[in-house]
Amino acid sequence: DQQVKQNSPSLSVQEGRISILNCDYTNSMFDYFLWYKKYPAEGPTFLISISSIKDKNEDGRFTVFLNKSAKHLSLHIVPSQPGDSAVYFCAASPSRGGFKTIFGAGTRLFVKA
Amino acid sequence: DTGVSQDPRHKITKRGQNVTFRCDPISEHNRLYWYRQTLGQGPEFLTYFQNEAQLEKSRLLSDRFSAERPKGSFSTLEIQRTEQGDSAMYLCASSYGQGVDSPLHFGNGTRLTVT
Repeated sequence: DQQVKQNSPSLSVQEGRISILNCDYTNSMFDYFLWYKKYPAEGPTFLISISSIKDKNEDGRFTVFLNKSAKHLSLHIVPSQPGDSAVYFCAASPSRGGFKTIFGAGTRLFVKA
Repeated sequence: DTGVSQDPRHKITKRGQNVTFRCDPISEHNRLYWYRQTLGQGPEFLTYFQNEAQLEKSRLLSDRFSAERPKGSFSTLEIQRTEQGDSAMYLCASSYGQGVDSPLHFGNGTRLTVT
């Protein structure tokens, strides 16, 4: 039962261009969404989040968009840099029933110089 | 903020043996989580604590797994009678807050290999 889905296992982008990572969810109880970034041999690190009462949140080069009706969110990275090459996990938390965070399978981003 | 610390970083054990992992969360964080990650998958929720109380356990967590967080500080995850399917990265995370909007801070994990 995959409640958070990242259907693209990998994405390759040229340096300076936009990277768009997509995520779909099925549980309508989710109301807090996050993106984490993971480098090899390290734990995931928090990148950016969005509450369900918003449709956009921006932090520097990173913007997350939320479409609640479609149960879809996306992470935009502009401009992409080689240091952004990592695995990106989409995650979601419900408003009730505990505070556990559910993760997608991840998308590996390659930014080519 | 010294970050979440996990020990050991790697553990190789033979099938049937017991193993125990330790996690030291960020000191002011009241919530502590254990996740498991296998190759090509995202972190999979196992259990979490609010202070010293274990509030939720995944159905994936068999009776061979037990976690504790005495006095609401560090936590241990024990796996008894390990099986080859237990081989994975075990991640600990902590967070602070009363609501749902508290990002997790992860440690670098303990990689378990069961031979």
